Amino acid sequence: GIQVEQSPPDLILQEGANSTLRCNFSDSVNNLQWFHQNPWGQLINLFYIPSGTKQNGRLSATTVATERYSLLYISSSQTTDSGVYFCANSGTYKYIFGTGTRLKVLA
Amino acid sequence: DGGITQSPKYLFRKEGQNVTLSCEQNLNHDAMYWYRQDPGQGLRLIYYSQIVNDFQKGDIAEGYSVSREKKESFPLTVTSAQKNPTAFYLCASSRAKNIQYFGAGTRLSVL
Repeated sequence: GIQVEQSPPDLILQEGANSTLRCNFSDSVNNLQWFHQNPWGQLINLFYIPSGTKQNGRLSATTVATERYSLLYISSSQTTDSGVYFCANSGTYKYIFGTGTRLKVLA
Repeated sequence: DGGITQSPKYLFRKEGQNVTLSCEQNLNHDAMYWYRQDPGQGLRLIYYSQIVNDFQKGDIAEGYSVSREKKESFPLTVTSAQKNPTAFYLCASSRAKNIQYFGAGTRLSVL
């Protein structure tokens, strides 16, 4: 089945720093999504990005489907960026989630 | 407001008891999903449904049951057969492009 690996598992940043989170897939990239889980547990959609590059404010994402990986860039990080970032990929309807990157941004 | 509503936010289960978690969506999505998240872990798929009156087991379906009688609703029952039910349960829905949207979750604990 599809395996999803995320790195790094944990990340601590000073406010204002930039970071790159990575997602590797064992199988083809189909319906790839990035999510942010806030401290209250809510999963927020960040990007739907099966291929190419998208930007939304300080966040951007790039998926290279041929090499089976995706990157999430966070620029000028803020304390509100803290939480867990998940990527997920699916074949048809069944999504497989990575184990997440736990980000803490210090003021 | 359009979205996915899960209730209750917190739920306590006594030993031997079945409990039902509610998930309702008004996004007109065909597919709905239930996930379980244990502390510090990722999400694992319990059940999913692509259309009304049809559903499939996910990776950890044992001890759980679902129904899909209406497009808007996909309740999850945690049965007494689930010996370790304490977890955070998340419901999601999606349309044709499989972009998933999540509810706020239900935290289940055992008394």
